[in-house]
Amino acid sequence: RKEVEQDPGPFNVPEGATVAFNCTYSNSASQSFFWYRQDCRKEPKLLMSVYSSGNEDGRFTAQLNRASQYISLLIRDSKLSDSATYLCVVTTYNNNDMRFGAGTRLTVKP
Amino acid sequence: DTEVTQTPKHLVMGMTNKKSLKCEQHMGHRAMYWYKQKAKKPPELMFVYSYEKLSINESVPSRFSPECPNSSLLNLHLHALQPEDSALYLCASSHVAGGPYNEQFFGPGTRLTVL
Repeated sequence: RKEVEQDPGPFNVPEGATVAFNCTYSNSASQSFFWYRQDCRKEPKLLMSVYSSGNEDGRFTAQLNRASQYISLLIRDSKLSDSATYLCVVTTYNNNDMRFGAGTRLTVKP
Repeated sequence: DTEVTQTPKHLVMGMTNKKSLKCEQHMGHRAMYWYKQKAKKPPELMFVYSYEKLSINESVPSRFSPECPNSSLLNLHLHALQPEDSALYLCASSHVAGGPYNEQFFGPGTRLTVL
């Protein structure tokens, strides 16, 4: 079993749609959780950290469920510029060893 | 300034060449990282430096040799690479290595092609 697993995608949605991504992790010692986005041929950029209480940043909402070992990302009112690959990232406390999910490709169409 | 810079942007080298990738950050971060990313795959961790000392080596072949001359700089020396080493090499930094919510910031990467 992979350490971090994501919805395989791809997700093709119209502008204005709401889309949700899920990610599960296998290491119960995982402590920090992030969503990064990566545009084609660019570096990953931090989108959001995911806190235990859940957090929201504009159209983006992240949730963490430690009991079930999964995190989610909800994007509301999708924009064309949201088209990217979304990477779920999990780290352990000791060494900041980031483990990436395989990524989910999102395409938002007009 | 949340910026990590990397040079060169692109590199083409033969299997007998020796080259180096460079990474620099001026955010005062004390942890720096090298990742390798193949097309349509997530980044894979290669090395972690914490306070200029190598703390993680993810079983990377010796043809890749990291160096951290000071807290702002990270190099990756390449020698006798194979064509399968062609990839995007990403540098990242974070405040420290370890601890909660210690976000990593990535540089733009060096796209390496080995002929």
